[in-house]
Amino acid sequence: EVQVVESGGGLAKPGGSLRLSCAASGFSFSTYSMTWVRQAPGKGLEWLSSITSNSAFIYYADSVKGRFTVSRDNAKNSLYLQMNSLRVEDTAVYYCAKETSGSVDYWGQGTLVTVSS
Amino acid sequence: QFVLTQPPSVSAAPGQKVTISCSGSSSNIEKNYVSWYQQLPGTAPKLLIYDNDKRPSGVPDRFSGSKSGTSATLGITGLQTGDEADYYCGTWDTSLSGVVFGGGTKLTVL
Repeated sequence: EVQVVESGGGLAKPGGSLRLSCAASGFSFSTYSMTWVRQAPGKGLEWLSSITSNSAFIYYADSVKGRFTVSRDNAKNSLYLQMNSLRVEDTAVYYCAKETSGSVDYWGQGTLVTVSS
Repeated sequence: QFVLTQPPSVSAAPGQKVTISCSGSSSNIEKNYVSWYQQLPGTAPKLLIYDNDKRPSGVPDRFSGSKSGTSATLGITGLQTGDEADYYCGTWDTSLSGVVFGGGTKLTVL
């Protein structure tokens, strides 16, 4: 069974940092692109970043470019999102997800990030 | 605000059919496959349709997808109260080099 499980969410102050982790299982992690998507309270889905299977290509939304960094460790079947210079508007549920041919086919349950002073 | 445009809400009676539109442009929908996602209240999104019109294993054939030019459509027949959810379209945008989503459509089964 495919599973992706996020962790690392919590409360951060504006300007602070958090690192999200995503543990994947049930599929050959090293052969798939992975994605981070967030959803602010009561709002729609916002794509943040995608990373290809071997980290050769990494893409970011303009809203997080220069502040967030995605990485992966294929030996540990893990995906990460380093979030720096956090803003109040970064408050959201953050989803880790597996990609297949442009579709996000498996989503984690999400981890809540709250940015507040 | 959202690159893909969806109606904010649609509604229909149980047993009826509903369609949800998703409008984009030549840099996204026209060039790339469209996916649809269902988000039931309080849960994570779930893939409903991929590659414009394909259903993952376990998704009932009451759900269908189509694409024409710069627009895509999700169809749901035989509506059930359990179909009440938010539905999102998504695709890759070649110009932005990123995934784009629609703003979501809230389905109410009256």
